[in-house]
Amino acid sequence: RKEVEQDPGPFNVPEGATVAFNCTYSNSASQSFFWYRQDCRKEPKLLMSVYSSGNEDGRFTAQLNRASQYISLLIRDSKLSDSATYLCVVNMGGSSASKIIFGSGTRLSIRP
Amino acid sequence: GAVVSQHPSRVICKSGTSVKIECRSLDFQATTMFWYRQFPKQSLMLMATSNEGSKATYEQGVEKDKFLINHASLTLSTLTVTSAHPEDSSFYICSATDPRPRIPLHFGNGTRLTVT
Repeated sequence: RKEVEQDPGPFNVPEGATVAFNCTYSNSASQSFFWYRQDCRKEPKLLMSVYSSGNEDGRFTAQLNRASQYISLLIRDSKLSDSATYLCVVNMGGSSASKIIFGSGTRLSIRP
Repeated sequence: GAVVSQHPSRVICKSGTSVKIECRSLDFQATTMFWYRQFPKQSLMLMATSNEGSKATYEQGVEKDKFLINHASLTLSTLTVTSAHPEDSSFYICSATDPRPRIPLHFGNGTRLTVT
């Protein structure tokens, strides 16, 4: 079993739709969680951190379920510019020289 | 905010030559940097963890004698692809851990290596 697993997609949804991704992790002692966005041929960029209480940033909502060991990302009212690969990132180490594991990414394509 | 600078952004070289890629943290000290490789339509694959002042830790299947990593200062790590082959053509990205909480990694812009 992979340490961090994501549905690779691709998700192909119309503009304005709501789309959700899940990401599961294997290490129950994992410390922190993040969603990164990667555009084609570009470096990943931090989209948002994921807090235990859940957090929202505009159209984006991230949630953490420690009992089931998964995190989720919800995108509402999707825009064409949301088309990208979304990477789930889990910090399993907890220290500065931490063990940061990437999921394989979920590809999202928004169509007009 | 903190920035990681990676250079060059694109390089074309002939088989058998060596290529050096630099990764710099511009406004913070990075005791740990990571080097990744990404083939088209595939995910980021961690190659090695670069620790300032000590030897890099390589992931399984990554040849340490082929991918030389040097992390001589708190702001600079270099990856040298030695005796490059066409199959080494890929997108190489570095990242550095951020000492501030809740921002785990900053990434360089990546280097697209093409070996002819």
